[in-house]
Amino acid sequence: SAVISQKPSRDICQRGTSLTIQCQVDSQVTMMFWYRQQPGQSLTLIATANQGSEATYESGFVIDKFPISRPNLTFSTLTVSNMSPEDSSIYLCSVVPGQVIEAFFGQGTRLTVV
Amino acid sequence: KQEVTQIPAALSVPEGENLVLNCSFTDSAIYNLQWFRQDPGKGLTSLLLIQSSQREQTSGRLNASLDKSSGRSTLYIAASQPGDSATYLCAVMNSGYSTLTFGKGTMLLVSP
Repeated sequence: SAVISQKPSRDICQRGTSLTIQCQVDSQVTMMFWYRQQPGQSLTLIATANQGSEATYESGFVIDKFPISRPNLTFSTLTVSNMSPEDSSIYLCSVVPGQVIEAFFGQGTRLTVV
Repeated sequence: KQEVTQIPAALSVPEGENLVLNCSFTDSAIYNLQWFRQDPGKGLTSLLLIQSSQREQTSGRLNASLDKSSGRSTLYIAASQPGDSATYLCAVMNSGYSTLTFGKGTMLLVSP
């Protein structure tokens, strides 16, 4: 299994600003994943973050809006840039440890943009 | 493109009832299927993982089945309790990838 610590747990931000979300895992993992859950919707994958390479973004998500860092095998950050009210969502970090192909999630970051 | 559907979208039952949540997926070439629980405004808690070669998994009062050929999974909750109230999400991991495709979830309310 994996224990994931995600910070902050929630935030209220002004439009036009940026927020960086941190994700710390208690073990080394090759890939980390960032998902978004808009109000009343299910989870949508934003990007896959590999250590030592640029993140791979899903259709509809771009690096300028959601820059991701992956400095080592236990840590990643997601930045939501130039925020608008449409960015109000829960953002979740996920990992799939190599031994067992089971996904684990952080507690999520509840973002409200006003 | 994989699509996951969950039925019903919402369910309200009195305490003690046994209930079934349904999940269907369009592409049967999956690696595994997971059921998650999500409390309001929170992250996801993994409940059960079924590998593509398995038919079912059990954990306490929860039992999940998988019929890969027909693209269906069910989550059975026995003797429901108010503490089971949450949204239940079904997600499939496609073969060769570690990303998940999620359904929209079933919102369960168990009343005392």
